[in-house]
Amino acid sequence: EIVMTQSPATLSMSPGESATLSCRASQSIATNLAWYQQQSGQSPRLLIYAASTRATGVPARFSGSGSGTEFTLTINSLQSEDFAIYYCQQYEWWYTFGQGTKLEIK
Amino acid sequence: EVQLVESGGGLVQPGGSLRLSCVASGFNFNGYYMSWVRQAPGKGLQWVANIKYDERVKTYADSVKGRFTTSRDNTKNTLFLQMDSLRAEDTGVYYCARCNYSPRGCSFDWWGQGTLVTVSS
Repeated sequence: EIVMTQSPATLSMSPGESATLSCRASQSIATNLAWYQQQSGQSPRLLIYAASTRATGVPARFSGSGSGTEFTLTINSLQSEDFAIYYCQQYEWWYTFGQGTKLEIK
Repeated sequence: EVQLVESGGGLVQPGGSLRLSCVASGFNFNGYYMSWVRQAPGKGLQWVANIKYDERVKTYADSVKGRFTTSRDNTKNTLFLQMDSLRAEDTGVYYCARCNYSPRGCSFDWWGQGTLVTVSS
């Protein structure tokens, strides 16, 4: 099984700042990685797939990068609606998710 | 607009069965792989199963293999998950999700609102 490890577990930021979330795979997954946002009490929402491609309707302040085992989700100019839990997911070999990063208001 | 609406969740005793449904609208259902993903209370996401648009390929997580069966009725735009021999660790919200297909597999580009399954005596 490919294990996905996200860091940090919790990130405290202020609106208007930029946030950087990390995801590491236990083995190379090329760019077969997606990022999701889950707001409290809601279903997950696809933000990024293929490591860096924004899904339909996702604002340009969200960007993804990385390949192999190291990946990053960057959120520029944080808005109030961005404070949520973020998950990475690999689809190189079956499907596994990271444990999540909670982005909270500082 | 794409919509996925799950139903069928509830309280069931260990060893019992439950059948979930997911009605899809707003897209060409019979052209997409579909998936089930679950989330235990207060926990992260876990992929459960995939099904190809023509039902010829079905894949399952090891934790549910042999107990869960996914199927679909393309004439009714409906996805199913038959869950047998349920265990306490199967408790959680079950989402159906549309597969954003790539040669290596799926990211999940649309999700239902989820249906809660509770396995308890």
